[in-house]
Amino acid sequence: TQLLEQSPQFLSIQEGENLTVYCNSSSVFSSLQWYRQEPGEGPVLLVTVVTGGEVKKLKRLTFQFGDARKDSSLHITAAQPGDTGLYLCAGVGAGNQFYFGTGTSLTVIP
Amino acid sequence: EAGVAQSPRYKIIEKRQSVAFWCNPISGHATLYWYQQILGQGPKLLIQFQNNGVVDDSQLPKDRFSAERLKGVDSTLKIQPAKLEDSAVYLCASSFTSSGANVLTFGAGSRLTVL
Repeated sequence: TQLLEQSPQFLSIQEGENLTVYCNSSSVFSSLQWYRQEPGEGPVLLVTVVTGGEVKKLKRLTFQFGDARKDSSLHITAAQPGDTGLYLCAGVGAGNQFYFGTGTSLTVIP
Repeated sequence: EAGVAQSPRYKIIEKRQSVAFWCNPISGHATLYWYQQILGQGPKLLIQFQNNGVVDDSQLPKDRFSAERLKGVDSTLKIQPAKLEDSAVYLCASSFTSSGANVLTFGAGSRLTVL
């Protein structure tokens, strides 16, 4: 059972555009992580957010954790072809269990 | 440091046959996970080990899937007999704690095709 729903499921945009990916859950997590996965590889961690309302920036990527620690968003400014990949959110449970979202497949067209 | 090693990278079998996947986690990582990932979807947890003990196997189809982690290091995941719906990438990950947060490091995965 997937506990985290991501939207949109697919996103195809032109280079230079901005986008936002959402991760929603009815469960509260101790922390939430975002990963990016490229074809033929395992997911790679981008960021961990821990505190409700926390905002973290990683170059052109901005991550926000909801106040109630149930949802999160990822905003990319001026997307580049190198941003193409599958973006996954993951809620971290009390027993170091990681519950992954449904995934958002992003394609940035040059 | 060396990453999480998995083998084989690709396996094609017919339904009802058996298959085994191997994982060697990063040295010192006590927690090991096996995930199943259907193409384009998020990974689904199959089993979580802490050292050589099972923490969570609630989503492991135990009638056909089994996993072990003898000696608390390497792990194997076996499917017997395989079904068509088992076609997926099987990801192994191990975790450590960084600045109070747990971080997963994944292997490249083993892609299974069941014909």
